[in-house]
Amino acid sequence: SQQGEEDPQALSIQEGENATMNCSYKTSINNLQWYRQNSGRGLVHLILIRSNEREKHSGRLRVTLDTSKKSSSLLITASRAADTASYFCATDGVGSGNTGKLIFGQGTTLQVKP
Amino acid sequence: DAGVTQSPTHLIKTRGQHVTLRCSPISGHKSVSWYQQVLGQGPQFIFQYYEKEERGRGNFPDRFSARQFPNYSSELNVNALLLGDSALYLCASSLQAINEKLFFGSGTQLSVL
Repeated sequence: SQQGEEDPQALSIQEGENATMNCSYKTSINNLQWYRQNSGRGLVHLILIRSNEREKHSGRLRVTLDTSKKSSSLLITASRAADTASYFCATDGVGSGNTGKLIFGQGTTLQVKP
Repeated sequence: DAGVTQSPTHLIKTRGQHVTLRCSPISGHKSVSWYQQVLGQGPQFIFQYYEKEERGRGNFPDRFSARQFPNYSSELNVNALLLGDSALYLCASSLQAINEKLFFGSGTQLSVL
C-alpha cells in the first residue's frame, strides 16, 4: 500500500497561472521529495525537503512541509506548457530500516494549456 | 554522461513465462532500486541493492528476485508471470544507499497476456 495521498488527482490550468499540489503521508519521515513524470516514463527528481525544514525554493518551485499535519505542498509558479506531467511526492519513512525505500503517492496529473 | 539505461524498453510475455529486465546505473552510482508502476498509480518499491547486497525488499512475492553485479548493473527476474504483473518497471540509481535523490531510467513496459 502507498503511504501518500495526493490532492487533487488532476489539475488543469492556463499557461502563466500557478499550480498547487498537496501530499499527505502517514508515518514519520526524514525527508520528502517531489518527482515529475512525463508520459508514463522515467521520473525526474525535482526537490527534497528535510523534516526539520518548513519551506524550500528551487527556481519556479516552492515546497512546504508541515510535519505536524504530515502534509506537503508543491507550488509551480508561472506555469508553462512544458510543465504538463504527473507529479509525485515520495517519503523515506523513518523506521524503514535504512533500506533506502521510497514510498510514492498516487500522483497529481497537471495539464497546462497554452 | 549516460543516464540510467534499461533494457528492453517493451516486452510482451504470456502467463507462466519468466522475464529478465536489465539496468545499468549512472557511472559511479552504487545503489540500484527497482520499482513497479501500475497504470494510474505511483511507483511501488520492489528491491534495493547497494554494493551488491540486498538492502531492502518491498511487499512482493518470491517470484520476484534481483541481483547486482560487480559493475553495479542489475537484473530483475520475475517467474511464473501473472496478468497482474503487467506494469512499467523502473530502475533507479543513486550515489548512496539512502535514497535522497533517485535517478530513474525510462523503464521497461511489460505486458503479460
